[in-house]
Amino acid sequence: RKEVEQDPGPFNVPEGATVAFNCTYSNSASQSFFWYRQDCRKEPKLLMSVYSSGNEDGRFTAQLNRASQYISLLIRDSKLSDSATYLCVVNGRGSNYKLTFGKGTLLTVNP
Amino acid sequence: DGGITQSPKYLFRKEGQNVTLSCEQNLNHDAMYWYRQDPGQGLRLIYYSQIVNDFQKGDIAEGYSVSREKKESFPLTVTSAQKNPTAFYLCASNSGTGVYTQYFGPGTRLTVL
Repeated sequence: RKEVEQDPGPFNVPEGATVAFNCTYSNSASQSFFWYRQDCRKEPKLLMSVYSSGNEDGRFTAQLNRASQYISLLIRDSKLSDSATYLCVVNGRGSNYKLTFGKGTLLTVNP
Repeated sequence: DGGITQSPKYLFRKEGQNVTLSCEQNLNHDAMYWYRQDPGQGLRLIYYSQIVNDFQKGDIAEGYSVSREKKESFPLTVTSAQKNPTAFYLCASNSGTGVYTQYFGPGTRLTVL
């Protein structure tokens, strides 16, 4: 099993749609989980951390299932500006300082 | 403004040359990182440093070298031993005090001609 595995995508959705991203991780000792957003040819930027109880930030909802080692990100009422690659990120093996990044899932929101 | 700066934004190198990529942060962060990103691939860790004068190899350190003489600076040298250096290089930092969120610089695109 890969350390962090995401839906390969790409996803193409109309404006206003709800879209869900899924991610699994292999290290059961992982403690920190994040979703980052990366625009084309730009650096990744933190979208949100993922907490055990789940958390919401406006149109974005993140969920964590430790038993299944599964993380999700839900975007409601998608906007054109949500078009980007979404990266699932988990703190990696051996060191709390190291993060492991998934390959990302490309989202295109169409007018 | 606090943040991470990388220079240059674009870099072209002839085969056989060493090049050094700059990374500076004024966030007072202890830990700094270098990643490489290839098209359609995730970020891969090259080197990281948790404190000044100390650094560790990441997953793909071969052909690269780093130094950490100052807290603010973590330059990466891509040596001629790196067989496929054309990539997008990203520098990141975090406070290293139990919060693992990393913040990234704008990146350097290296092309070997």
